[in-house]
Amino acid sequence: GESVGLHLPTLSVQEGDNSIINCAYSNSASDYFIWYKQESGKGPQFIIDIRSNMDKRQGQRVTVLLNKTVKHLSLQIAATQPGDSAVYFCAENIRSGGGADGLTFGKGTHLIIQP
Amino acid sequence: EAGVTQFPSHSVIEKGQTVTLRCDPISGHDNLYWYRRVMGKEIKFLLHFVKESKQDESGMPNNRFLAERTGGTYSTLKVQPAELEDSGVYFCASAGVLRTGELFFGEGSRLTVL
Repeated sequence: GESVGLHLPTLSVQEGDNSIINCAYSNSASDYFIWYKQESGKGPQFIIDIRSNMDKRQGQRVTVLLNKTVKHLSLQIAATQPGDSAVYFCAENIRSGGGADGLTFGKGTHLIIQP
Repeated sequence: EAGVTQFPSHSVIEKGQTVTLRCDPISGHDNLYWYRRVMGKEIKFLLHFVKESKQDESGMPNNRFLAERTGGTYSTLKVQPAELEDSGVYFCASAGVLRTGELFFGEGSRLTVL
């Protein structure tokens, strides 16, 4: 099966609400995880990353949570805005040392913001 | 600073024809990657250049795909002959150092094989 996957392919939220996008991974050796955002007509854009020695990392309006016990990764977006509409991809690094080499992407979750 | 640029943005060809996709990375980025996303599926790694050398081409599907990066600047990805299953969006990404997973992606080249 896939190493990196998603619980939901599409997520619809009301503007202003918080969004939670989930991702499961199966490779217990992965030690580095990343979230990318792809807006329509554009290429994926790096949002935030986290290493396996952490369980939480915060950015601007985004928080990534890592639960190594159940091999689960999530991206939380606070106060969702129309500009957050995009496909969100989680990615894991299956090689030691982290970095961009050996990145495996999931299928993506389409986040839809309703007014 | 210019980002990663890809050309063409969309190409429609018939099965058996040849298509060449081009990627211009961010100036000074030694690392250049090609990825592909087939409709509704994950973004899959194709290959990785470090300057003009192929660092990893384990993701190339078969010998109908040929990637080059002469001179270590821009890269081309040729598909010859194209098959229906080659349809998808081909992304190029570049990076300077690889301490993080931050790749700078282009907007992609959408390939439709009829």
